[in-house]
Amino acid sequence: AQSVAQPEDQVNVAEGNPLTVKCTYSVSGNPYLFWYVQYPNRGLQFLLKYITGDNLVKGSYGFEAEFNKSQTSFHLKKPSALVSDSALYFCAVREDTGRRALTFGSGTRLQVQP
Amino acid sequence: DAGVIQSPRHEVTEMGQEVTLRCKPISGHNSLFWYRQTMMRGLELLIYFNNNVPIDDSGMPEDRFSAKMPNASFSTLKIQPSEPRDSAVYFCASSFRRANTGELFFGEGSRLTVL
Repeated sequence: AQSVAQPEDQVNVAEGNPLTVKCTYSVSGNPYLFWYVQYPNRGLQFLLKYITGDNLVKGSYGFEAEFNKSQTSFHLKKPSALVSDSALYFCAVREDTGRRALTFGSGTRLQVQP
Repeated sequence: DAGVIQSPRHEVTEMGQEVTLRCKPISGHNSLFWYRQTMMRGLELLIYFNNNVPIDDSGMPEDRFSAKMPNASFSTLKIQPSEPRDSAVYFCASSFRRANTGELFFGEGSRLTVL
């Protein structure tokens, strides 16, 4: 079985400060991990993914995420937040074997204050 | 290249009516997914197809829901009869399935309201 948890419903950060959005996962085999962003009344947009290799993954709009196997985490980070980063962020996971589709977390709303 | 195209963007209907949602995936993608998003339940997978064949429909709520993919460029999700609890945003997504590593590309969604 595969699952993902986003423990924070909302994260508030001031513009210019670093941000972290947390994600932990559970899979039977090896994980493929993804982050998506959703703006109001829009579909989800792909930000970045971890498949294998370097644990630090860089993605769109200056976002990055760090895969930590021992902690089963894949937290999303950005060194300096922008007001335009305010949106809903989803972490997703699928196992490397089998035919399961992506399982999404419940989402974390990021609010960046000017 | 056009993204995933969904129609209609908004649908308001009365309980008991049939609803058909449509999706055109990105050309060349061989996997298609239907997700439903609600405040209470978040983003749920309903069904997905690989090479036009349904692979996992365990998320389809009940017999009132059905999905088809008659060819590589078109899919429908039908609800008959519709109920107020079906009110949600329905997303279609497609990907190029390459050893499970391909990311999903989402459409803008179809917002369904059942009165």
